[in-house]
Amino acid sequence: GEDVEQSLFLSVREGDSSVINCTYTDSSSTYLYWYKQEPGAGLQLLTYIFSNMDMKQDQRLTVLLNKKDKHLSLRIADTQTGDSAIYFCAERGAAGNKLTFGGGTRVLVKP
Amino acid sequence: DTGVSQNPRHKITKRGQNVTFRCDPISEHNRLYWYRQTLGQGPEFLTYFQNEAQLEKSRLLSDRFSAERPKGSFSTLEIQRTEQGDSAMYLCASSLHYLAGVPYEQYFGPGTRLTVT
Repeated sequence: GEDVEQSLFLSVREGDSSVINCTYTDSSSTYLYWYKQEPGAGLQLLTYIFSNMDMKQDQRLTVLLNKKDKHLSLRIADTQTGDSAIYFCAERGAAGNKLTFGGGTRVLVKP
Repeated sequence: DTGVSQNPRHKITKRGQNVTFRCDPISEHNRLYWYRQTLGQGPEFLTYFQNEAQLEKSRLLSDRFSAERPKGSFSTLEIQRTEQGDSAMYLCASSLHYLAGVPYEQYFGPGTRLTVT
C-alpha cells in the first residue's frame, strides 16, 4: 500500500531557511501536499504540487518534487518563530479519494 | 465561509460507552472525509462521503464505528462500546469535487479529541 515517510525533527535559527523532506512509495500519486499543524489545531493547507511539475514557488515556500526518486521537499525561506509547528506531507493517489500522510516533521525555530 | 467545524472539541468517556461526533463542512463542499490522528502520528483515513453516499471505508473502521451524512451536509461519526485504543483526535475534512484532474484541496476542521478512560 501507500507509504509516506518524513524525518521527525528539524531545528533552525530564525532567519535561516528550513528544508523538510518527504519520501513516498505510490508511483500513481497525482498531487502532493504540505500541511501545517500548530498545537491543538487542525491541519492548515500550505501548498500542493501536481505530479507532472518539479517545482512550485509560493511566497516564502518552495516545493521541489523528484518523481523518479519519489522525493518531495518543502523549503521555507526566512524562517520565523511563527513557523514552529508540525509539517505533514501527504499524497493523493490516482483514485483521488483520500490523502495518505507522513508522520510529520516537528520544526522548532530558535530566536 | 466559516470553515469546517467540529463538535465537541473534547470528549472524555468511560470504556464501553458510545460517543458521537459531528462535523459541519464548508457549505458548498460535496465531499466529506473522516481521519483519525493518534499522538505523534499523521492522520489516517477512515471514510469519505460524496453528498450523502459513503463511498469508501478504511479497514481501520471496525464495525463499532459508523458514519452518516444523511442530507449531504453535516456528518456524524459514532463509536460504540469505546475502547482505550480509540483515544485519538478525530479530524473531519471537506472538499469540492466536480472535475477530474483538479486538486480539490481538503480543508480540515479543528478536530475532536477523544479520551477513553
